[in-house]
Amino acid sequence: AQSVTQLGSHVSVSEGALVLLRCNYSSSVPPYLFWYVQYPNQGLQLLLKYTSAATLVKGINGFEAEFKKSETSFHLTKPSAHMSDAAEYFCAVIVEYGNKLVFGAGTILRVKS
Amino acid sequence: DGGITQSPKYLFRKEGQNVTLSCEQNLNHDAMYWYRQDPGQGLRLIYYSQIVNDFQKGDIAEGYSVSREKKESFPLTVTSAQKNPTAFYLCASSIDESRQEMGYTFGSGTRLTVV
Repeated sequence: AQSVTQLGSHVSVSEGALVLLRCNYSSSVPPYLFWYVQYPNQGLQLLLKYTSAATLVKGINGFEAEFKKSETSFHLTKPSAHMSDAAEYFCAVIVEYGNKLVFGAGTILRVKS
Repeated sequence: DGGITQSPKYLFRKEGQNVTLSCEQNLNHDAMYWYRQDPGQGLRLIYYSQIVNDFQKGDIAEGYSVSREKKESFPLTVTSAQKNPTAFYLCASSIDESRQEMGYTFGSGTRLTVV
């Protein structure tokens, strides 16, 4: 069964610094991978997704992620953090027709001024 | 604008009571889902429905029930059998099961608290 591991339940960066949120997946077949963002007491918003096209995926708000099959990773990055990026981020995976979206435990990003 | 509407945003329940959370979508999506969110545990699937009048249990269905009488609506009932119902509940939808690469669209959630 597919699964997702997000390394680090909390990440803290300074405003203007690089954001790196880690996600590793387990799957024996190429997956569909997603990053979602959640602000307090709100639903999840899709940031970006990998669907076997380009391995470097660009999303909204300046975020991007790179699919690395050899490392089974799909880390989320942003060159320069903004205060408005403070939120919780979820990595998710689907691998097979009929299977459901499986989420990681989430990473809370804190941006310091 | 198309989207998913969850209501109410906040809900308080006395122990022993059943409560129903509403989820309505106007995206013309076939599939709908209910997730429960607890701090540090990510999202866990409660129930899902791929077509009208059909639904399946997810990973944590005990103490919950659903119905899917209309394509647009997928209400979730939290019964008195659910021992720890305090959580944030999220409803989602997707075009259909064959288009998983499209991802899910989420509602804004309902926070349920047992008092």
